[in-house]
Amino acid sequence: GEDVEQSLFLSVREGDSSVINCTYTDSSSTYLYWYKQEPGAGLQLLTYIFSNMDMKQDQRLTVLLNKKDKHLSLRIADTQTGDSAIYFCAELSGGGSYIPTFGRGTSLIVHP
Amino acid sequence: ETGVTQTPRHLVMGMTNKKSLKCEQHLGHNAMYWYKQSAKKPLELMFVYNFKEQTENNSVPSRFSPECPNSSHLFLHLHTLQPEDSALYLCASSQDDGGELFFGEGSRLTVL
Repeated sequence: GEDVEQSLFLSVREGDSSVINCTYTDSSSTYLYWYKQEPGAGLQLLTYIFSNMDMKQDQRLTVLLNKKDKHLSLRIADTQTGDSAIYFCAELSGGGSYIPTFGRGTSLIVHP
Repeated sequence: ETGVTQTPRHLVMGMTNKKSLKCEQHLGHNAMYWYKQSAKKPLELMFVYNFKEQTENNSVPSRFSPECPNSSHLFLHLHTLQPEDSALYLCASSQDDGGELFFGEGSRLTVL
C-alpha cells in the first residue's frame, strides 16, 4: 500500500526558516497536503499542491514538490513560536480513493 | 454552529463501562471518519462512512462500534475497553471527491 514518511522532530530558532520534509511511495498521487495540529486540537489543512505543480507559495509558506523523487517539503519563513505544532504530510492516490494517507507527523519546536 | 464538533472533549472510563463519543458536522459533507491518535504512533484510520454506509473498517476490535444514523452525525460506542485504547479520537468529514478533511478537536479518552 501507499506509504508516507516524515522525520519526527525539528527544532528551530525563532526567526529562522523551517523546512519539513516528506517522502511518499505512490506514483499516482494527485494531491499532496500539509496539515497542522496545534496542542489539544484537531488537524487543520495548511496548504496543498496538485501533483502537476512543482511549487506553491502562500505568504510565509512554500511547498516544493519533486514528483520524480516523490519528495514534498514545506518551508516556513520567519518561523514564530506560534508555528510550534505537529505538521502532517498526506497524499491522495489517483486510484479513485477519496481517503488520504497520512504521515506520522513532524513536531516542530520553535525556541527563542 | 459550524465545522466539526466532538463531544465529550475528555472522557475517563473504567474497563467495564459503556460510553459513546459523538461527532456532528455542519458542512454538508457526505463522508465521515474516525481516527485514533496515540502517542508515538501514526494516525490510525478506524472507520469511514459515506452517505451513512460504512466503507472502511481497518481491523478495529469489536469493542469499538461505530454508528452513523445520518450524514451529519457519527458515533463511536465504546464497551469493555483496554488501557491501551487510551488515545485522542478524532472525527473528520469531507466530500467524497478527494477534497480537504475537516477535523474536530478530538475526544481525549483515558481507560483506567
